[in-house]
Order: sequence, then C-alpha cells, then structure tokens
Amino acid sequence: GEDVEQSLFLSVREGDSSVINCTYTDSSSTYLYWYKQEPGAGLQLLTYIFSNMDMKQDQRLTVLLNKKDKHLSLRIADTQTGDSAIYFCAEIVSNTGKLIFGQGTTLQVKP
Amino acid sequence: KAGVTQTPRYLIKTRGQQVTLSCSPISGHRSVSWYQQTPGQGLQFLFEYFSETQRNKGNFPGRFSGRQFSNSRSEMNVSTLELGDSALYLCASSATENYEQYFGPGTRLTVT
Repeated sequence: GEDVEQSLFLSVREGDSSVINCTYTDSSSTYLYWYKQEPGAGLQLLTYIFSNMDMKQDQRLTVLLNKKDKHLSLRIADTQTGDSAIYFCAEIVSNTGKLIFGQGTTLQVKP
Repeated sequence: KAGVTQTPRYLIKTRGQQVTLSCSPISGHRSVSWYQQTPGQGLQFLFEYFSETQRNKGNFPGRFSGRQFSNSRSEMNVSTLELGDSALYLCASSATENYEQYFGPGTRLTVT
C-alpha cells in the first residue's frame, strides 16, 4: 500500500544544518516532494526529486534519495528562524495526480 | 503569475447544512486536486479534475463532490455537514504532467 512516514519533531540552533527524514512505500513513485507549511498558510512546494536521481541541490536545500531503502531526506543548510514550520514529505501515486503525504515534521529553530 | 486562489478563506456552518468551496488555479494549469487537512488524519486526497473530468477520487463518502469548469476553476461541495468535516480544505493546481502541484492558502471550514 501507499504510506509515507516522518519523524514528528526536530529542534536545531540557528545557523546549524537541519536534516528531516522520510520513508515511503510505493517503489513505483516517479517523483518525491518536500512541502513547507507555515501557521495558517497553505503548502509551499520547496523542491522535488525525480526517482532516477540520487541528489538534488537548490540553494540551501539538498535532497537525498536512497531508492533501495525508500528513504528521502531534506537538508537545510544554515537554518534560520524563518525556516521554522512544518515540513511534509510526499510521493505521487503512479499515473495519478494523487499525493500521499507524511504526517509532517515540525522544525523548531532556536536563536 | 498569480498563485492558486481559494474562496472563502474561512467558513462557519452548522451540522446538516451544505457548503461550496471554490478554487481558481494558476493560469494555464488544467489539473485541480483537492485535499482535506485535519490534525488527526493529516493531509488526505479528495479528488482530482482535469479538463472538466474527475480523474481520480480518494476514500471519502459521496457527500463530498466536486466539479471543474471550462476555465479550469473548480468547486467542491460537501452536503449534510458533520462535525468531523471541520478541516482545512486545500486545492492544488498543476500543468498537464501533474508532477508540480502548487497549493492555495486553503479554506478553513468549521462545523458547529
């Protein structure tokens, strides 16, 4: 079946790197995503990775994909207080527009 | 380009009533998907429309329905509201390929 798991909470100091982890079950997923949600807001698409890639870097964001272990991670370099939010990992079900989301990881950045 | 817009942003209804939520996708996007977000169940897929046709549907009762117009704007309707329908309803739009879905700010529905 389709399932995405994330740890629920991560606390880091400003300036440190943050690593948010995610595991998924659908090995046929073509794309995997990271979304950010701030309080009272919708979801902001941060980045995504195609399943035939191992890594994607976009400014302070680095996505690593281990397809064998079905493990996805998001690294945020030089984490700022403005990065405090809930981060969702998601996979897209093959041949549909349906996204399966993890429970979300709350990132707390301490000054 | 303007982003995805949803109206209204907040809504309070009573049990048994019905409600209609609206979503305007990013210009040029033909696919619209709807999701329900609650603290207990997280983000769950409701349905997806493309060129006025429902392509995919999630596991929600028939009280939840939707439609898409020729200009790609979409509406979802919930009839006979229950307390458990209180949630943030999010709409997302994407171009044909579906792989980049952009979300609107959501409609916060409270059922009393």
